[in-house]
This record gives sequence, C-alpha cells and structure tokens, in this order.
Amino acid sequence: EAGVTQSPTHLIKTRGQQATLRCSPISGHTSVYWYQQALGLGLQFLLWYDEGEERNRGNFPPRFSGRQFPNYSSELNVNALELEDSALYLCASSQPGAIYEQYFGPGTRLTVT
Amino acid sequence: AQSVTQLGSHVSVSEGALVLLRCNYSSSVPPYLFWYVQYPNQGLQLLLKYTTGATLVKGINGFEAEFKKSETSFHLTKPSAHMSDAAEYFCAVRRSGGSYIPTFGRGTSLIVHP
Repeated sequence: EAGVTQSPTHLIKTRGQQATLRCSPISGHTSVYWYQQALGLGLQFLLWYDEGEERNRGNFPPRFSGRQFPNYSSELNVNALELEDSALYLCASSQPGAIYEQYFGPGTRLTVT
Repeated sequence: AQSVTQLGSHVSVSEGALVLLRCNYSSSVPPYLFWYVQYPNQGLQLLLKYTTGATLVKGINGFEAEFKKSETSFHLTKPSAHMSDAAEYFCAVRRSGGSYIPTFGRGTSLIVHP
C-alpha cells in the first residue's frame, strides 16, 4: 500500500512569490491535514480537509489556503511568501472514523530567500 | 486549551541503555495521547497511542508509554537503546471530545552513542 506522497520534495522561492504544495493521501483516506514544522517549533497545525470541505484551520494568516479535490488529494497555497515561511510542510491523512490516527508524508521543504 | 511539554530538546544515551523521553500535558478533559517518531528526511510515524483502557501502552520497535493521570504525564521508554532509534520524537495530545486536531510538543532529539 502506497503511503502519503508529497510534491515537490524541495521548493525554493523568493519573498513575495506564491508557493503551491501538493499531497496525495493513502488510498481510502478521506481526510487530509497540513502542518508546518519550523525549526525548533514542533508541528503547527495549518488546515484540515475532509470530503472536500475545510473542517478546521490553525492560527495562520489567510495567505495560507488550500483545497481538497474529488480524489481526496490536496493542495496548500502560500501567497506573498515571507522569510519566516521557510519550513518543512507535512501532510497527513486518515481514514473515516479514525481521525486521530494520522499517517504522515515525507514533507516538502520550502525555502524562502 | 491543551498543551504539551517535552522536557529536554536533546537526550543522549549509550547503546543498550534505558531510553526515557518525558512528556507532560495539560488538558481540561480526558486526553488522547500519542508518540510519533521522525527519522531524518522523513515524515512522522505513529509509535503508540493511548485512548482509553490500559494505561501502559506498547508500541512498535520495543517502545512503551504509561499514562499517569495524577502526574499528567505520558513518558516514553525503551529498555535498551539501539543505534537505529536515533531520531526526533514528538508527543501529542488531543481532546477526547471536540477538535480532532492534536497539539504537538516541540520534539526531543534522541542521540544514541555506540
């Protein structure tokens, strides 16, 4: 069974640009979660999508947005990039009814220069 | 509100020694508790979880954790460290009702010396 996949592995952008990160959940999983892992700060919850709807949002500005597609894959968009957006962005997925058991992808390393 | 504190950003042990990674939480309602491991350049992998029932939870790779309500702790242990255990470990807490989103600690880096 394929795990959660994320693309790209690395992304380098300039301040003010936009970044798009992609995530494909495990087959059969309907929920997708996005986290930001900045150095020394642990994981900060960004967004939760389930069945195409945004279910919850963390304490991040509106320039962090995303969506979930009918095939349950998801996209995270970060507009007007700032230097402090540099981090590892992790995507996780879970099965219906097992929301607390999340399976993580390897992440996308975003560097803003 | 819920929060997680992991004591020690780095823990260093010798191969074969006991591993003890500390986690304390605060939660206004009975919590669900988790430990995750992150190997270099990889995502997080669930080691073990406590939801209800037995307070001593066994996980993968020989790790276990005990939920102690009176101490609001969920420390992770392993009797004998292996070199392959070197990784970042995260404790997480989620309320048993309400938001499904866990709160993660800042992580503890486990260093294993030969």
